[in-house]
Amino acid sequence: DAGITQSPRYKITETGRQVTLMCHQTWSHSYMFWYRQDLGHGLRLIYYSAAADITDKGEVPDGYVVSRSKTENFPLTLESATRSQTSVYFCASSESGGLTDTQYFGPGTRLTVL
Amino acid sequence: KQEVTQIPAALSVPEGENLVLNCSFTDSAIYNLQWFRQDPGKGLTSLLLIQSSQREQTSGRLNASLDKSSGRSTLYIAASQPGDSATYLCAVPPSNTGKLIFGQGTTLQVKP
Repeated sequence: DAGITQSPRYKITETGRQVTLMCHQTWSHSYMFWYRQDLGHGLRLIYYSAAADITDKGEVPDGYVVSRSKTENFPLTLESATRSQTSVYFCASSESGGLTDTQYFGPGTRLTVL
Repeated sequence: KQEVTQIPAALSVPEGENLVLNCSFTDSAIYNLQWFRQDPGKGLTSLLLIQSSQREQTSGRLNASLDKSSGRSTLYIAASQPGDSATYLCAVPPSNTGKLIFGQGTTLQVKP
């Protein structure tokens, strides 16, 4: 499928478990982003990547780990899930992350941590 | 630190009405301003991107304006339809890296 996909779409896990959310884009966009969306906080940036093997922290990076070995994939790992990480997670990509292009969002992953 | 605010948080209008959604930002040193639409349970879809040098952008029934000096943008929707019901978010990148800071959105309901 063309575009940007996320898996799984829904995930229930328990406190302390490791969880990995997957993101895949077919456009070869250089930039990729992970956001979380919560009531009362809106969308907040967790991590972003400007290219393969280049990642940087966003606004709320604590408790998350990312990697980007291939341009098209940008997995997000919760090393030891906590209830406060219950949220909807969105992945996005953009061509240059610069002045003229927008971001394209995936459908989201709804994560519940019990 | 850049902050983005959208008022009102929710809006309900009858079908056919013209309406304006507001977005304000605290730091006028922006590269662009972007408007997105989010349907329930879905991801965000880009609607319009206004460069800092532009005053407005149009796409169909949508018109977005930008006033950097006052730190404001508006999204004008003409002849609203029930299919326009969604949450509308504005966002600005505080630098040229494409990182976006989002407002909390305005949830619009257009009643038939």
